[in-house]
Amino acid sequence: SQTIHQWPATLVQPVGSPLSLECTVEGTSNPNLYWYRQAAGRGLQLLFYSVGIGQISSEVPQNLSASRPQDRQFILSSKKLLLSDSGFYLCAWSVTQGRTEAFFGQGTRLTVV
Amino acid sequence: GENVEQHPSTLSVQEGDSAVIKCTYSDSASNYFPWYKQELGKRPQLIIDIRSNVGEKKDQRIAVTLNKTAKHFSLHITETQPEDSAVYFCAASSGSQGNLIFGKGTKLSVKP
Repeated sequence: SQTIHQWPATLVQPVGSPLSLECTVEGTSNPNLYWYRQAAGRGLQLLFYSVGIGQISSEVPQNLSASRPQDRQFILSSKKLLLSDSGFYLCAWSVTQGRTEAFFGQGTRLTVV
Repeated sequence: GENVEQHPSTLSVQEGDSAVIKCTYSDSASNYFPWYKQELGKRPQLIIDIRSNVGEKKDQRIAVTLNKTAKHFSLHITETQPEDSAVYFCAASSGSQGNLIFGKGTKLSVKP
């Protein structure tokens, strides 16, 4: 069966520090991978998606970047965090063809102080 | 791109009553509409979904209806129970990859 791992679960970082959140998927090949951010009152906002190794699409301009160095690994990064980057970050995957269920990781609660 | 509007943002019902959450979408090409339930501090999980070739789908106490002409779909929960209390998100597929675009969520509270 397929599983998705996301870490860390919680993170407190000072303003201006770098960020690296990692997500891995097991039990499937060539998944679509996603990073979502959940902020209070704004629902689930799609940040990045990837259809293959090295292929990243950004949905919104921001202080964050994403990379996919391996087929089942998706990384969310920032060089310098802002207070507004605080939120609940969720990694997700779906089958390549899309228009199907997305499976979410456990999420990372990021607090920028 | 796709835009999904969800109402209401909060909903409080008595145990045993029904709850209805409504969503509208903008992209007439969207053809997949899932609903997710997120309990406090946990990941969203799929509870029911519907595709554009179907008008209604039921699974025990939950049902989803889709009106393609009006571009809206709704979640119906009957005989609500306290464990139904959570945030519910609707979503619609978007673009050639079918990425899911979510509504802002509805916080449902079921009072015993």
